[in-house]
Amino acid sequence: DQQVKQNSPSLSVQEGRISILNCDYTNSMFDYFLWYKKYPAEGPTFLISISSIKDKNEDGRFTVFLNKSAKHLSLHIVPSQPGDSAVYFCAASEESGANNLFFGTGTRLTVIP
Amino acid sequence: DGGITQSPKYLFRKEGQNVTLSCEQNLNHDAMYWYRQDPGQGLRLIYYSQIVNDFQKGDIAEGYSVSREKKESFPLTVTSAQKNPTAFYLCASNPEDDGDYGYTFGSGTRLTVV
Repeated sequence: DQQVKQNSPSLSVQEGRISILNCDYTNSMFDYFLWYKKYPAEGPTFLISISSIKDKNEDGRFTVFLNKSAKHLSLHIVPSQPGDSAVYFCAASEESGANNLFFGTGTRLTVIP
Repeated sequence: DGGITQSPKYLFRKEGQNVTLSCEQNLNHDAMYWYRQDPGQGLRLIYYSQIVNDFQKGDIAEGYSVSREKKESFPLTVTSAQKNPTAFYLCASNPEDDGDYGYTFGSGTRLTVV
């Protein structure tokens, strides 16, 4: 049973516009959430994280929003750049540094120049 | 440069053969993990190890085996008992005392059964 879900397998956005990637989870014990970015034939790289005590975390062009009551988080990329084209994975765990991250299925973002 | 090295990048195996995927890290991380990625699916945990000489099964451990004889190394053996081994395999590590940045991943090994 998939505890972390990314319902949009792909997303296309014009360069300079906002990209919004969504993620839903079912386990109310999840306390820590991360986004990873993955290029083809490479391992995922950490992008940004948020703990449940916050509802927003910002790092440059990337902002993650958390809505615990809805069990939903989203990643906003503004402005989108062609180099952002990659697969983005949402991940969750019951605490930071936990031994098991649960990953979503990924969303392939294409930023069109 | 510190990081995780997975080798080989591409691996072909005949049906019925065992094959071992290498994972080495020089980050001095205590915990190491093996994940499998299939098209349209998220990363699924195969095995993980929090300390040398100790490891635990993940969600899909059947048909796989691991060892952790050294802190730096966490090889994964795909045995003939694994019914559908063709996939992209990712190794990751995590410092036990500071996981705020999540895992560090290797670049992966693509295994194809021919």
